Amino acid sequence: GAGVSQSPRYKVAKRGQDVALRCDPISGHVSLFWYQQALGQGPEFLTYFQNEAQLDKSGLPSDRFFAERPEGSVSTLKIQRTQQEDSAVYLCASSTDRGGSPLHFGNGTRLTVT
Amino acid sequence: AQSVTQPDIHITVSEGASLELRCNYSYGATPYLFWYVQSPGQGLQLLLKYFSGDTLVQGIKGFEAEFKRSQSSFNLRKPSVHWSDAAEYFCAVGLRGSQGNLIFGKGTKLSVKP
Repeated sequence: GAGVSQSPRYKVAKRGQDVALRCDPISGHVSLFWYQQALGQGPEFLTYFQNEAQLDKSGLPSDRFFAERPEGSVSTLKIQRTQQEDSAVYLCASSTDRGGSPLHFGNGTRLTVT
Repeated sequence: AQSVTQPDIHITVSEGASLELRCNYSYGATPYLFWYVQSPGQGLQLLLKYFSGDTLVQGIKGFEAEFKRSQSSFNLRKPSVHWSDAAEYFCAVGLRGSQGNLIFGKGTKLSVKP
């Protein structure tokens, strides 16, 4: 497809379970971002990749959160031992490798931890 | 610390009326500025962006925004609102020279009365 694709759209996890969220960026987009959007809030930055290199992970809230992009295309955000406070929409975005390039967002994965 | 403020959490306007959504930022230098729109269950769609030059920028769907350096503002406007404009609107800033993350405001929810 032409846009950023995320799967699954919805994920329900029991507290303590591990989850993996997938992002397929726009073909050819070098930069990939993960954001977390809590209910009623704006998106908050989690991490940024340029190709396969994770250049910024300053927004990851804890060491339970891990992201990878091994071949510089598809990315996976993994959350280990999920907690209720992890419930949010996780948005993936991609952009070209030009400063200030606008981000193209996927529709997100809504994670609910029960 | 950098921040983005959208002072209005929820605005209701009548269809056909004009609209202005406020955005103020706190940043050391002039950042890149963006407005995104989010419909329920969807990702964010870019409405318009300001990088440099003309301080009045035109976007999609008839929206425009004006950058005012003296007021650190980037307000979004539309002369005549349509029912389909009902959504949540987010202002965001990005640091020049950085390929890094965007900082988003908390959003303004727009309702449109028939």
